[in-house]
Amino acid sequence: QVQLVESGGGVVQPGRSLRLSCAASGFTFRNSGMHWVRQAPGKGLEWVAVISYDGSQTYLGDSVKGRVTISRDNSKNTLDLQISSLRPEDTAIYYCVKGGGGHCGGGVCFIGPYFDYWGQGVPVTVSS
Amino acid sequence: SFDLTQPPSVSVSPGQTARITCSGDSFPKHYAYWYQQKPGRAPVLIMYKDIERPSGIPERFSGSSSGATVTLTISGVQAEDEADYYCQSADGSSTYFFFGGGTKLTVL
Repeated sequence: QVQLVESGGGVVQPGRSLRLSCAASGFTFRNSGMHWVRQAPGKGLEWVAVISYDGSQTYLGDSVKGRVTISRDNSKNTLDLQISSLRPEDTAIYYCVKGGGGHCGGGVCFIGPYFDYWGQGVPVTVSS
Repeated sequence: SFDLTQPPSVSVSPGQTARITCSGDSFPKHYAYWYQQKPGRAPVLIMYKDIERPSGIPERFSGSSSGATVTLTISGVQAEDEADYYCQSADGSSTYFFFGGGTKLTVL
């Protein structure tokens, strides 16, 4: 079965950086677009970033543009999220999410429009 | 526009039908997707492409679409259906993804 296990969260001071990681198993990771989605305490879901199957394409949400890097290692089935210049409003649970609805053809895989499997999430608190 | 509007809350008694709407300019051009999130848990996909139900999701969950509004219907609501429900869509190239604000379903 699909498993997504996040790590790297914790309490971080404003202005510092943090790297989150996600270990994936149970599916063909190298063929799947992967996302990070976050949820601030008591708030709704916010899409953060997506990376294509081979890492060649990345797209970011408006609130994190310029501060976030999403990357992947298909040899290790891992997904990372680097967040710099952390702000209190970055405090949230960060979910590693497998993209759904994508397809592969001719050696290329396309990012699908939704999220079909979610990790349990990792909490990040930005506070001095 | 990438705004999706959901009612903040919906309340129903057990056995009744709950309808949760989601409105936005993204519809009907792009599909809607629905997620259920119970307290302290990760979201779960419960509907995709407006009306399709993933395997393992009970038949009492259904989806519909009419113009700029999509609706998640839960027939014969059970206590275990009490949760937050989020609609979601994406741009045509799957390069930008967005959620509605969420609806808290209370089973009275």
